[in-house]
Amino acid sequence: AQSVTQLDSQVPVFEEAPVELRCNYSSSVSVYLFWYVQYPNQGLQLLLKYLSGSTLVKGINGFEAEFNKSQTSFHLRKPSVHISDTAEYFCAVAERTSYDKVIFGPGTSLSVIP
Amino acid sequence: NAGVTQTPKFQVLKTGQSMTLQCAQDMNHNSMYWYRQDPGMGLRLIYYSASEGTTDKGEVPNGYNVSRLNKREFSLRLESAAPSQTSVYFCASIIRQGRYEQYFGPGTRLTVT
Repeated sequence: AQSVTQLDSQVPVFEEAPVELRCNYSSSVSVYLFWYVQYPNQGLQLLLKYLSGSTLVKGINGFEAEFNKSQTSFHLRKPSVHISDTAEYFCAVAERTSYDKVIFGPGTSLSVIP
Repeated sequence: NAGVTQTPKFQVLKTGQSMTLQCAQDMNHNSMYWYRQDPGMGLRLIYYSASEGTTDKGEVPNGYNVSRLNKREFSLRLESAAPSQTSVYFCASIIRQGRYEQYFGPGTRLTVT
């Protein structure tokens, strides 16, 4: 069964600085990968996804992620963060053999400091 | 399109009471999900349904039952609520054809005292 690790529970970063949120997964088969964002007191919104093809995936709000199969990672990056990026970020994985089962990581809380 | 809807939005139960959380989607999706969200633990999958008439256990199924009533509706039942089930519950559905996107409902905040 698949699992997801997000090693950084909290990431503080100054406004306009770059940020990387780490995600590693465990699976014995090929996977689909996702990043979601949750703003305070709101639901989840899809940022980006990797299904196949190019390993560099661009999403909304200037975020991008790179799938690295050898390191089983799918780290999220943004070159310059804004105050409005303060939110909880979740990585998720679905195995291609049982792609109905989508498992989430514990989340990373990004705080952007003015 | 209402997307994924959940009722109720808030609920307070006493230990031992039962209740059913309702979820419906109007997007003709095959797969539906129930997650719970707790601080520091992200979203944990309770049950999911790949298609009408099928249900499967997720990561934390104990204490819950589900029913996939038809393609639109997927309900979650707590037979005897416990304080450990205090959480925010999210329902979701997936469209797989070409896009593979999971759509979430607004959540139900449940408190068990």
